[in-house]
Amino acid sequence: QKEVEQDPGPLSVPEGAIVSLNCTYSNSAFQYFMWYRQYSRKGPELLMYTYSSGNKEDGRFTAQVDKSSKYISLFIRDSQPSDSATYLCAMSNSGGYQKVTFGTGTKLQVIP
Amino acid sequence: DGGITQSPKYLFRKEGQNVTLSCEQNLNHDAMYWYRQDPGQGLRLIYYSQIVNDFQKGDIAEGYSVSREKKESFPLTVTSAQKNPTAFYLCATGQGIYEQYFGPGTRLTVT
Repeated sequence: QKEVEQDPGPLSVPEGAIVSLNCTYSNSAFQYFMWYRQYSRKGPELLMYTYSSGNKEDGRFTAQVDKSSKYISLFIRDSQPSDSATYLCAMSNSGGYQKVTFGTGTKLQVIP
Repeated sequence: DGGITQSPKYLFRKEGQNVTLSCEQNLNHDAMYWYRQDPGQGLRLIYYSQIVNDFQKGDIAEGYSVSREKKESFPLTVTSAQKNPTAFYLCATGQGIYEQYFGPGTRLTVT
């Protein structure tokens, strides 16, 4: 079993829809939870991060962490065609070296 | 213009040849990383370096080598011992506990 599981999609939604992207994990030592966005043939860029449990909102994006269920989510409101990309969840423990474990990514397509 | 540069963007090599991928940063970050990305497998860590003249193996270091002689540079050599070298290679830098910044990547094709 992988440490981090992520549905690869693809996920197709109409413009304006609310998108929910999810990851589950097995390592209870993870404390930092990140979401990266990767456009085709580009490097990933950090979208949001959350420490421990809770919610964090940034514009149209909301990240949620439920450590009791080992489940994290990224919600995108009012989705736009420019949101079409692969979304990678990532996690790290609180050790000195920032080893980050990535999910395999979910490909999202927002249709105009 | 701050950031991470990787060159070349596309690289083609014959089987049995060693090839070196370049990664340069001017973000003044201490840590640098090399990942490999394959379809359906996500990012896998090859090597990382937290300070100059020191580096550690990641999860899939076999068939790869690195050096860190300068803070700004972390080149990756893909040797002929790497059995499946065709992949998208990403270099990243980091300063905090969780945040990593990625370069644009190099797509290596070995035939």
